[in-house]
This record gives sequence, C-alpha cells and structure tokens, in this order.
Amino acid sequence: ETGVTQTPRHLVMGMTNKKSLKCEQHLGHNAMYWYKQSAKKPLELMFVYSLEERVENNSVPSRFSPECPNSSHLFLHLHTLQPEDSALYLCASSRSIQETQYFGPGTRLLVL
Amino acid sequence: KNEVEQSPQNLTAQEGEFITINCSYSVGISALHWLQQHPGGGIVSLFMLSSGKKKHGRLIATINIQEKHSSLHITASHPRDSAVYICAVSQGGSEKLVFGKGTKLTVNP
Repeated sequence: ETGVTQTPRHLVMGMTNKKSLKCEQHLGHNAMYWYKQSAKKPLELMFVYSLEERVENNSVPSRFSPECPNSSHLFLHLHTLQPEDSALYLCASSRSIQETQYFGPGTRLLVL
Repeated sequence: KNEVEQSPQNLTAQEGEFITINCSYSVGISALHWLQQHPGGGIVSLFMLSSGKKKHGRLIATINIQEKHSSLHITASHPRDSAVYICAVSQGGSEKLVFGKGTKLTVNP
C-alpha cells in the first residue's frame, strides 16, 4: 500500500464511450503524474502536474484529457479512444518534482 | 535505441541464488531509480541514487556515474522477489523519468 489509490482497477470501454480514471493520494504530495504502460514497451510519461498546474504534456493525443482539481486528486478523462490505447494506466505522486515517486496500482484499460 | 537499457530481459533463478540486474544509460542524469512491479501492475520505488551504493534489506543498488551503469543485486533470493525490475533515470532540470523496458525475474522454490 503506497498511499496512492486508483479507480477503477479495470475498465472495458467502446471507442465511442466517455470514461474517467481517478487517482487519489493521501501523502501530502505536490506533484502527480499519469503514465501509460503498453505491453513490451517502457513506461511512458503522459502528464505531470505540480501544485495543480500542468508542467509536462508529452505529446499525448487530445482524446486524453487530464484534470487536477487539487493536490490530492488527479483525473484522466477518456473519449473516443482507439484499440491501441489499451494499456495499464499508472498514477504516481511525489513530494515535489524530481523526488521519489510513489505509484498507484494502475487501471487496466481495454478499448474494444 | 532506448536511452536506458537493461539486461537481462528475463532471468530465472533458484531460491537462495544471488541475483544481478544491470542498467546502462546514455544521457547525463541527476538520479537513477530502481522500481519493482509485481504481477497486476503495482509499482514500488526501491531506490533512488545519484552516486555510490545503497542497501535495503537483501537489496543492494550501485551506480558508476563515469561508466553510466548501475546494478541491482538481490542476495538470498526468494520466490516473493519474482517481479519485473525497472530502471529509470531523471535528468537535471527535468521532471521526466526515462524508463528501461524492465527485467522479468522469476525465482523458483
């Protein structure tokens, strides 16, 4: 238990659906991250928020839309996804940028 | 070519064996991280180091900045050590971590 929770843990959605992934951290951290992990590929950083402001957007398609309403919560809104977006989506947090990151358990997403 | 290379990709060992996993990187870094990912996806940060050596229980991580190389050692390996071990580097002035593809370790009883 790292103090970072993600819901849902599994999600199956069609290409026309809209869904949201939620991440919550109870560690008092100021930075939060979204990562994508596809089969047989390294982890890919998607978004970074520091003090609720986005500081990194790694050329992610607009069908992925992050939201950070406060320092404890991070959302990833999904719409009109493609089958190749099926992956494990991991959230992480750290006390500040460049400090040790603590990862959530991930949401395994399947797009049909 | 990935900026962070790990070897081996897969490793099978018998319980009790000494394990070494290697990580080489090609960029200047401010820190190197070792992470452990269990089946099901959850990731745990094991070490963050920028020089020398760190030890935590049966795990030891070393880094040689000049050679751009790090090793993760597991002494007296146990089946519960079975996981994917991931090396990642962070570069000065950037919040971005660059990840290796991971080493899948299986320790048999």
